[in-house]
Amino acid sequence: EAAVTQSPRSKVAVTGGKVTLSCHQTNNHDYMYWYRQDTGHGLRLIHYSYVADSTEKGDIPDGYKASRPSQENFSLILELASLSQTAVYFCASSRDRLYEQYFGPGTRLTVL
Amino acid sequence: GDSVTQTEGQVALSEEDFLTIHCNYSASGYPTLFWYVQYPGEGPQLLFRASRDKEKGSSRGFEATYDKGTTSFHLRKASVQESDSAVYYCALSDSTGGNNKLTFGQGTVLSVIP
Repeated sequence: EAAVTQSPRSKVAVTGGKVTLSCHQTNNHDYMYWYRQDTGHGLRLIHYSYVADSTEKGDIPDGYKASRPSQENFSLILELASLSQTAVYFCASSRDRLYEQYFGPGTRLTVL
Repeated sequence: GDSVTQTEGQVALSEEDFLTIHCNYSASGYPTLFWYVQYPGEGPQLLFRASRDKEKGSSRGFEATYDKGTTSFHLRKASVQESDSAVYYCALSDSTGGNNKLTFGQGTVLSVIP
């Protein structure tokens, strides 16, 4: 069964601190994505990747970096966390851009 | 750029009511359309998809028909149950121009009262 896991599941960070969110998939999928979810905005794409060692900007990349060291792992990095980055973050994977995306359970990030 | 508009932000129904959630899209090419459902505390999961004009997608009693003429993909269910309470997202993926991502609508919160 398709599996996408995220860690941590929740995190409290201080403004200006560095935050790393991790995602691991066992689907053997080439595509991986990071989204943030805010009330009233739905899901917005931050970064995505379709091959290891390469990442692409999504719709709202400012303030975020991404890293894809292997096919299975995809990280989202907030170098200087800000209050506005408080949200729920979802990772997803898919075989191809037109196929189903499998989502992880989400990470609730609170920046104080 | 591509966009998806869901008209209803929140819908409250009683069990056995008929459900319609409106979804309209704008895309430069010929997109594949999706409906995702998100239950509390979980990530979104695919409900179904459609990739051609007039194609009907369906799952768990929900259905939607791809209408290229009206650029719509409205979600319907004849008789909702309390267990259908969730957030529903319409989304599209457009393959033209090497686009490699889904574009989601704002989501519709469905609350079904027993």
